[in-house]
Parts: sequence; structure tokens; C-alpha cells
Amino acid sequence: DAKTTQPPSMDCAEGRAANLPCNHSTISGNEYVYWYRQIHSQGPQYIIHGLKNNETNEMASLIITEDRKSSTLILPHATLRDTAVYYCIVRSWSGGSNYKLTFGKGTLLTVNP
Amino acid sequence: GAVVSQHPSRVICKSGTSVKIECRSLDFQATTMFWYRQFPKQSLMLMATSNEGSKATYEQGVEKDKFLINHASLTLSTLTVTSAHPEDSSFYICSASGGQDQPQHFGDGTRLSIL
Repeated sequence: DAKTTQPPSMDCAEGRAANLPCNHSTISGNEYVYWYRQIHSQGPQYIIHGLKNNETNEMASLIITEDRKSSTLILPHATLRDTAVYYCIVRSWSGGSNYKLTFGKGTLLTVNP
Repeated sequence: GAVVSQHPSRVICKSGTSVKIECRSLDFQATTMFWYRQFPKQSLMLMATSNEGSKATYEQGVEKDKFLINHASLTLSTLTVTSAHPEDSSFYICSASGGQDQPQHFGDGTRLSIL
């Protein structure tokens, strides 16, 4: 399974952009990068995923480097409700037609007023 | 869209009891469902993957006879913790995916406390 490395914690001021980095230097050519976040005592929430191209949706943008060895999740205007643990995951094949997500420790993003 | 409902949200029961947790995809058909466990201040650990109508595939170290998984329909999977003991106390979370090109969507988890 491709391992990801994220900083354990980050702070961001409310209203500013939050840029969360992730290294995945052992990623394979057909493996997707997924981002989820988990607010305390809740299930993870899907944010965005991508393979090679940059992606944007209503929640965030995902910037993947050309060599695909790292990516950055961007929350354009962070709010207090964005305070959560953010997980960067390389989805790996688990046999047959199944894929799985292996959660690391993630980054605790704290948005400050 | 892509809502996954998990029930119950919290269970407290005596040691030796069996506990069933339900996971439902409310607005999509889930070809694959997943069960995770999360201990305090730790990350999610995948327990098993189940495809509708097939036996679940368990991760290494997870006892299949203790954690019974049934995925009888495209919208429902159940996890039964048999003869639960205090060490089984944890946060159990399910997720569901509508296909290989679809992300997993998670339920809000079940906090299981065994006394």
C-alpha cells in the first residue's frame, strides 16, 4: 500500500485559505488520491479525489504534482466548522475487484477565529 | 446525495452479549460495504470488505467468527459482534461505495461500550 505522509497539525485563520500538504512518493500509476475529513466522534466525510489532473468541487480543490508524488488540498475560505482531522489516502487494490482505503494519522487542522 | 445511515449510534451492554449494527445506503446502491473500527485517539482500521451476496473479506487479525458480516442486499450490511467483551468496546464505522469509480461514503458510527 502506498504510504502517505502528512504534518500532524496545522493552524489556519478563519476566512483564509487552508493548504494541507501530503506526500505519497510510492504511489503507483493507477492509484487515486483521496481526501477525507473527520470531525470528532463522527464518521469521515468524503472531500475530493483525483488521479493526475487537478480537481475542484464545492468543498475544496486538489492539486496533484506532475510526478504525482505529492498533493495539496485547498480549502479556499476556511471556517470554524472546517476544524477536523484531514486524511490523505492513496486508494489501493485489495484483491478481486475491491479497493481499500488505509487511513493514516492525518492532519489536525484547527481554524482559529 | 450519497447518504449512509448507521444504527444504533450508541450501545451499552453487558459482557457476553451479541450486538448487531446496521449500515444502510439511503440513496444509492452499494455494491461494496466496508467496516472499520476506531479506538480512542487512533485512526480508522479496516476490519472487512463485503460485496453484496458474497462472503466478507476480513483483514489480517480480525476474527471472522467474532465479527459476523452480512451483506444481503445492495442497501444493507450488518455487523454482529458476538459474545462481546470489554476489549471490543470501540467506535465502529461503516462505509459504502456504489462502484469502483465511486468514493466510499461513511456512516456516523456506532459507539459500543461493553461493561
